[in-house]
Amino acid sequence: GEKVEQHESTLSVREGDSAVINCTYTDTASSYFPWYKQEAGKSLHFVIDIRSNVDRKQSQRLTVLLDKKAKRFSLHITATQPEDSAIYFCAARNSAGNKLTFGIGTRVLVRP
Amino acid sequence: DAGVTQTPRHEVAEKGQTIILKCEPVSGHNDLFWYRQTKIQGLELLSYFRSKSLMEDGGAFKDRFKAEMLNSSFSTLKIQPTEPKDSAVYLCASSVGGNQDTQYFGPGTRLLVL
Repeated sequence: GEKVEQHESTLSVREGDSAVINCTYTDTASSYFPWYKQEAGKSLHFVIDIRSNVDRKQSQRLTVLLDKKAKRFSLHITATQPEDSAIYFCAARNSAGNKLTFGIGTRVLVRP
Repeated sequence: DAGVTQTPRHEVAEKGQTIILKCEPVSGHNDLFWYRQTKIQGLELLSYFRSKSLMEDGGAFKDRFKAEMLNSSFSTLKIQPTEPKDSAVYLCASSVGGNQDTQYFGPGTRLLVL
C-alpha cells in the first residue's frame, strides 16, 4: 500500500522567513495530496491541497508544489507568522478510493 | 453548520473494559473515517464507511476494534477489551465523498487505559 514519508520532523524558523516541508510517496497512482494543520491541543484542519493534473497551487501565503516524476510534494509557507506554529501533516490518496495515507507530521515553530 | 462532533472528549478506562466512542459527521457527508493518533505511529486508519457501508476495516485493528454506522448521522467505535497500548487520541472525520475529497476532522477523544 501507499507510504508517505515526511522528511522534516521539526522546523524552526524566524518570523517573516519561509518554511518548507517535504513529503514523498510511493504509489504512482496517487492523485490527490492534501495538507492538514494541527495546533496545540486541537484537531486537524485542512489547509490546502493539490491534484495530480497541476504541479503548483497557491493560496495566500501557502504554496504546494508537486513533482510526479520524483513522487515528491512540498508545502511552502512564506512570511511566517506566530500563528503558523503547529504540526503539519501531508497525505496522499489514490484514485481507487477515498482513503488518505498520512505522513508522520512536521512540527513548525515560528520564533519571534 | 455543525462540524464533526465526537463524544466523550476524554475517557479513562481500566484494562479489559469495553468503551464506546461516538461520532456525528457533518450533515450530508457520505464518507466517515475513524483514525487513531499517537506520537510514534502518527495517524492510522481504523475504519472507513461510504454511505454507511464498511469499505475498510483496518487490518491490524480488527480483533478488538469494531466500528459501526447505524445511520448516516451517527457512528460508534467500540474497543473491547481495552489494553494500555490503546491509549491514544481517536479522531473521526467525514467528507462529502466522490471527488469532494476534503476530510473534516472532529475534536477527537483522548483515551487513557490504565
